[in-house]
Amino acid sequence: KQEVTQIPAALSVPEGENLVLNCSFTDSAIYNLQWFRQDPGKGLTSLLLIQSSQREQTSGRLNASLDKSSGRSTLYIAASQPGDSATYLCAVKSNFGNEKLTFGTGTRLTIIP
Amino acid sequence: DGGITQSPKYLFRKEGQNVTLSCEQNLNHDAMYWYRQDPGQGLRLIYYSQIVNDFQKGDIAEGYSVSREKKESFPLTVTSAQKNPTAFYLCASTVNTEAFFGQGTRLTVV
Repeated sequence: KQEVTQIPAALSVPEGENLVLNCSFTDSAIYNLQWFRQDPGKGLTSLLLIQSSQREQTSGRLNASLDKSSGRSTLYIAASQPGDSATYLCAVKSNFGNEKLTFGTGTRLTIIP
Repeated sequence: DGGITQSPKYLFRKEGQNVTLSCEQNLNHDAMYWYRQDPGQGLRLIYYSQIVNDFQKGDIAEGYSVSREKKESFPLTVTSAQKNPTAFYLCASTVNTEAFFGQGTRLTVV
């Protein structure tokens, strides 16, 4: 059974700093991994999707990496801004044909002005 | 605008009532999903549908029902058999394995 863990559960950093969020998964046989952002009381916004054959994806100040063999992914945020404050969730899709996404419980990020 | 629309945003249910949550998408996606989110827990899959007139149970389907009569619509009914329905419900659709979500419905039992 796939399990996804995100540590820490909460993180506070001063504005302008670069930061890394972590995601680990127990079964390396994944099809892809997706990072989401969730604002309080809102739905999930897709940030980056990494296919199992890829090592990283970049979008603006965000960079996500994937190391399947070690069961880890990181989301790097450069030059953090107060608007980056949100909960960040990662989810893995295990095995082609299995439609389930397994989610971590998220990291609540606060950027201090 | 293209996207996934969930309604209502807030819903209150009395004990013993069935309620239906709406999910509509105009993205022309084949696959649609319902997830439940509780504080301190990851999202859990309730039901999913890969094509019209077909759907599959997820991990926590008991007390819920769905239909998929149209490609654009995937309503979720929370029945009286669901003993702890208070939660945030999220609808999603996928294209090329990338998932997109609606803004959610918060259901509260009163």
